[in-house]
Amino acid sequence: EAGVTQFPSHSVIEKGQTVTLRCDPISGHDNLYWYRRVMGKEIKFLLHFVKESKQDESGMPNNRFLAERTGGTYSTLKVQPAELEDSGVYFCASSPLGLAGGYEQYFGPGTRLTVT
Amino acid sequence: KQEVTQIPAALSVPEGENLVLNCSFTDSAIYNLQWFRQDPGKGLTSLLLIQSSQREQTSGRLNASLDKSSGRSTLYIAASQPGDSATYLCAVEGYQKVTFGTGTKLQVIP
Repeated sequence: EAGVTQFPSHSVIEKGQTVTLRCDPISGHDNLYWYRRVMGKEIKFLLHFVKESKQDESGMPNNRFLAERTGGTYSTLKVQPAELEDSGVYFCASSPLGLAGGYEQYFGPGTRLTVT
Repeated sequence: KQEVTQIPAALSVPEGENLVLNCSFTDSAIYNLQWFRQDPGKGLTSLLLIQSSQREQTSGRLNASLDKSSGRSTLYIAASQPGDSATYLCAVEGYQKVTFGTGTKLQVIP
């Protein structure tokens, strides 16, 4: 079974440009999470989808970030316009949806974003 | 290849007890180690980040230590409370990769 995949693995863009990151969760996983680690700091939660609905987007830093999950399958995270402080590694994770919750999250390899 | 193991997989303690969670990693060439808690159906919450040059970090009732040479970290929780019940994960960051541990599910009984 394929794990969580993310594309691209690395992206280098100039300040002011737009970048779209993609995450493909494990098939059948209704929960999808985005996290990011900016340089030298800890990994922090961005948002959580349950199927196509945003369950919790309290970690999104500002309105330059837009996440979507059309159809409840893959998700995209768009940064527009990108700023220097957006540089970091963006992780995606997925887990099954169950009545009791608490399922293990499976993490993707991350997308390293560099804004110059 | 980095492997991160957490022992025990599950732990149940009475309220008020001090407890220690363990995290072991096989490759000591790490940049940092981070502890998270995971509540059912929620995203991970960052607890503590220890850089590779540091020995420990403290936040409130939590204290995390790091011994890079032996590939071990511990998370110490003082005076545990029912609200501490969650799954605790450690994650180590190496060159271009973060590896998560298997997690310890903690239950604090009132």
